Amino acid sequence: QQQVKQSPQSLIVQKGGISIINCAYENTAFDYFPWYQQFPGKGPALLIAIRPDVSEKKEGRFTISFNKSAKQFSLHIMDSQPGDSATYFCAASDNNTGKLIFGQGTTLQVKP
Amino acid sequence: GAGVSQSPRYKVTKRGQDVTLRCDPISSHATLYWYQQALGQGPEFLTYFNYEAQPDKSGLPSDRFSAERPEGSISTLTIQRTEQRDSAMYRCASSRMTGKATQYFGPGTRLLVL
Repeated sequence: QQQVKQSPQSLIVQKGGISIINCAYENTAFDYFPWYQQFPGKGPALLIAIRPDVSEKKEGRFTISFNKSAKQFSLHIMDSQPGDSATYFCAASDNNTGKLIFGQGTTLQVKP
Repeated sequence: GAGVSQSPRYKVTKRGQDVTLRCDPISSHATLYWYQQALGQGPEFLTYFNYEAQPDKSGLPSDRFSAERPEGSISTLTIQRTEQRDSAMYRCASSRMTGKATQYFGPGTRLLVL
């Protein structure tokens, strides 16, 4: 059973544009929502994370928006750069085990 | 260590053979996770350890899969009687503690079962 659904599967954005990736979850016990960035041949690396007690978190060009009632959260990449081209995974976990439930991933290509 | 390391990076084996994958977590980290990542998909949880204890192995696909962390540091994942459907990237991650702590992923072991 897919507990975290991610869209779109792939995304092409022009340099300087805004990239938006969406995720939805089912399990209301989830209380930690990280986004991971993965470059080819590398393991996923934490990009930014949010807890459900806030609706937005911003770190540089990266922002997470969180809607607890809709059980949705999204990643916004402002002023997208070619170096942002990678696969992005949203994830969710509960506080007890920390095991991450990942979305299917979004392959982002930022064109120069 | 400086980061999570895994070995081997690539493993090709024949159907029916046993394989053992190794994970070296960040030295101060108490918690270690194993994930399986199919091509084009996100990682899927297999099992985790808190030091040497293994509180959750609910994600292991079958009893052919087992993992251990006998001294609370290095961990191994063993797949017995491998099948072609076991072909995937196997990723290890470690975190300072169980729960909300950041998980740091290793480069993975690409397993191909012929």
